[in-house]
Amino acid sequence: NAGVTQTPKFRILKIGQSMTLQCAQDMNHNYMYWYRQDPGMGLKLIYYSVGAGITDKGEVPNGYNVSRSTTEDFPLRLELAAPSQTSVYFCASSGGVGVGNQPQHFGDGTRLSIL
Amino acid sequence: QKEVEQNSGPLSVPEGAIASLNCTYSDRGSQSFFWYRQYSGKSPELIMFIYSNGDKEDGRFTAQLNKASQYVSLLIRDSQPSDSATYLCAVPMDTGRRALTFGSGTRLQVQP
Repeated sequence: NAGVTQTPKFRILKIGQSMTLQCAQDMNHNYMYWYRQDPGMGLKLIYYSVGAGITDKGEVPNGYNVSRSTTEDFPLRLELAAPSQTSVYFCASSGGVGVGNQPQHFGDGTRLSIL
Repeated sequence: QKEVEQNSGPLSVPEGAIASLNCTYSDRGSQSFFWYRQYSGKSPELIMFIYSNGDKEDGRFTAQLNKASQYVSLLIRDSQPSDSATYLCAVPMDTGRRALTFGSGTRLQVQP
């Protein structure tokens, strides 16, 4: 059972370049999330999705875009990369019933540096 | 905006001791609380969640919730060097999103 799979694991971008961070889950979860974690900090929500075709902004959406065409995939797009986007990006998913007590399954993260 | 506050540490305890990690939250309406462990360079993994006042025990871990005082604690008994990690406290942002608001974490160091 793969769980949540993120690719790539590491990436270095130049300022102004664009890229897509991939995230896929095989647990048939409806809810998927993108977080970023800066050094020594907690996780900040970038975007989330409650199902295929439905996405919405989180706490720090500027400079990012997402799409959710299938239940399994939730890619995160960076347009015009800036040094402030240097961070570790985590994708997560959750599902089932019982609001508030469903754990979120995290991928291994993508470490992104913008130089 | 819900806020979750944690002491960044490091909290250093000797092997075999009890480690006590604390977290305070701003929203009195928060109903459930999560503790995640994050090893350096790894993703967070869920240790425990609690949604009722009082204690919840799971092996060497005990979560304590006091809604009146708006704090939640994690106790680790018989601490082991392998428990050395950052512990993140989290609360749900709201019922619709099921996303979590995380604290910045407390780094725990267990000395052999």
